Amino acid sequence: EVQLVQSGAEVKKPGESLKISCKGSGYTFTNYWIGWVRQMPGKGLEWMGIIYPGDSDTRYSPSFQGQVIISADKSISTAYLQWSSLKASDTAMYYCARRNQEVFNGMDVWGQGTTVTVSS
Amino acid sequence: EIVLTQSPGTLSLSPGDRATLSCKTSQSVTSAYLAWYQQKPGQAPRLVIYGGTSRATGIPDRFSGSGSGTDFTLTISRLEPEDFAVYYCQQFDSSLMYTFGQGTKLEIK
Repeated sequence: EVQLVQSGAEVKKPGESLKISCKGSGYTFTNYWIGWVRQMPGKGLEWMGIIYPGDSDTRYSPSFQGQVIISADKSISTAYLQWSSLKASDTAMYYCARRNQEVFNGMDVWGQGTTVTVSS
Repeated sequence: EIVLTQSPGTLSLSPGDRATLSCKTSQSVTSAYLAWYQQKPGQAPRLVIYGGTSRATGIPDRFSGSGSGTDFTLTISRLEPEDFAVYYCQQFDSSLMYTFGQGTKLEIK
């Protein structure tokens, strides 16, 4: 079964760092881009950026450039999203998703989401 | 940056009705790179339509996508109770940038 499994919920304080993960299985991880999507409480989907685990080529939405770092470790089929200094406004659900050229670059497999809560 | 505007914001219909959801883009986009997603409360989004018109795996044929240029439509021909959810359109461009619309909530009347 093709799936993306994300790390568990996080509760952090403002200023702290955080790295959440997304592990792929059931397919060749290095052959598909992995994107990250933010969903703030009660709001819509926002695309953050995307990485190709095969060579770590990474692209960021202008809204998130400089705010987060997307990385991947192909040896363990895992993509990451990290913050160096969290803000309360980073409180959201974060999804990873697989981009698939076979479906015209739609995101065909999604992780279950990681809830990040930033509060003092 | 291309902006996607969905309408209506909320659509109140009954099971058995026909639903028509609109997605307008701020500039012409390739229909091949237009997708629709369904999201139910507490769940991750699910790909419904890709390439503007193709149904994703497991999506029933009451769902259809159409449109070109700047105007795209998701139609659900006969609503089932499980279809009530939030729907998002999404476009992808050649620089690997994706954009989502703000969503349409399809609710039971």
